[in-house]
Amino acid sequence: AQKVTQAQTEISVVEKEDVTLDCVYETRDTTYYLFWYKQPPSGELVFLIRRNSFDEQNEISGRYSWNFQKSTSSFNFTITASQVVDSAVYFCALSEALHQTGANNLFFGTGTRLTVIP
Amino acid sequence: GAGVSQSPSNKVTEKGKDVELRCDPISGHTALYWYRQSLGQGLEFLIYFQGNSAPDKSGLPSDRFSAERTGGSVSTLTIQRTQQEDSAVYLCASSLVKGYEAFFGQGTRLTVV
Repeated sequence: AQKVTQAQTEISVVEKEDVTLDCVYETRDTTYYLFWYKQPPSGELVFLIRRNSFDEQNEISGRYSWNFQKSTSSFNFTITASQVVDSAVYFCALSEALHQTGANNLFFGTGTRLTVIP
Repeated sequence: GAGVSQSPSNKVTEKGKDVELRCDPISGHTALYWYRQSLGQGLEFLIYFQGNSAPDKSGLPSDRFSAERTGGSVSTLTIQRTQQEDSAVYLCASSLVKGYEAFFGQGTRLTVV
């Protein structure tokens, strides 16, 4: 079963608009971690944020903010006042800390391609 | 090193040849992951190492693919008898321990002609 779902395949916004990227996850573990990564056209995956399952406080970093809601198993990412440099593919990921011993525990969604139009 | 280093950056090989892709993780990181990304696609999990052992090889697409990690550090992904469908970017990532953020290398772009 898909553990991380990013239903939005592609999004286009005009510069300065706000945009929210959705991420829904599935896990039976009570301890887990959620991540967002950015993959710009250059190709290298850049780590943006890590959030553990016990901390539901929303986080803001400059124009970026993250909304973690355990009740809906979602970890959405909002970019405020988008800029052309925000154009990239964004991946949400889940790590299950108590996953079956030895198995891979880092699962990625299929990504959302964001295009910011000048 | 400061980050995850992968070599070569680009590799063009003839169909049927073997290739070796190298990953040098961040020093001290115990977990190491290999992923594959085809053009415009998401990340396909290949294999995960904890230390030198590979408890999860479930993502390897066929027995032509193998990987090892020595000294809890450098990892090599080997593809034997390459096929055109093996063409992709191969990404390596390492994390301090399970559950921590993984840092990615720049990838190796493999083209099989």
